[in-house]
Amino acid sequence: DTGVSQNPRHKITKRGQNVTFRCDPISEHNRLYWYRQTLGQGPEFLTYFQNEAQLEKSRLLSDRFSAERPKGSFSTLEIQRTEQGDSAMYLCASSLKIGTASYNEQFFGPGTRLTVL
Amino acid sequence: AQSVTQLDSQVPVFEEAPVELRCNYSSSVSVYLFWYVQYPNQGLQLLLKYLSGSTLVKGINGFEAEFNKSQTSFHLRKPSVHISDTAEYFCAVTRGGAQKLVFGQGTRLTINP
Repeated sequence: DTGVSQNPRHKITKRGQNVTFRCDPISEHNRLYWYRQTLGQGPEFLTYFQNEAQLEKSRLLSDRFSAERPKGSFSTLEIQRTEQGDSAMYLCASSLKIGTASYNEQFFGPGTRLTVL
Repeated sequence: AQSVTQLDSQVPVFEEAPVELRCNYSSSVSVYLFWYVQYPNQGLQLLLKYLSGSTLVKGINGFEAEFNKSQTSFHLRKPSVHISDTAEYFCAVTRGGAQKLVFGQGTRLTINP
């Protein structure tokens, strides 16, 4: 399977613990995005990378959240001191920026479902 | 700021009946519009997109959508639904040069036999 993969698929943690999620984009895709989807809502943008550079962050991304893409391939999203309000599905997507194209299709992974008890 | 409103949170229809899922957007600039489908425990799959050109866009699985600039709408239609179309459908918008997608709240399509 050459699609976007995310690990783990499910994570249950206790309030106050730190968690880290991983996203492996489609090979050769230079852009990688993180979204959060709470129950009954559409996904909300968190941040995106072009290669290893983090180019945009949403105000939703509080100080407890940090995302990295150190080698321009896989990415990690860490949440420190988790709160019950962090319970959500975290979706990763990737795209390939080609030349000056104004839009490049985003391909989504299956998501990591986080439950904070 | 862009926003998307999906007017129906749930739409129940009978198998083989036609369906329309409504989407309205707000933006002061030219936009690109999308419909995604999400099956249970899966990620989002692109159904169709409008970038430019013909306002009637055809997508996968027999779905189509019409971009109406004056109404700021991008409604999704299918002439005859199947049980396998049961899923959550999301309308999304972005503007040229921007990277983030702005999604609506979703419409749950339920197909009854």
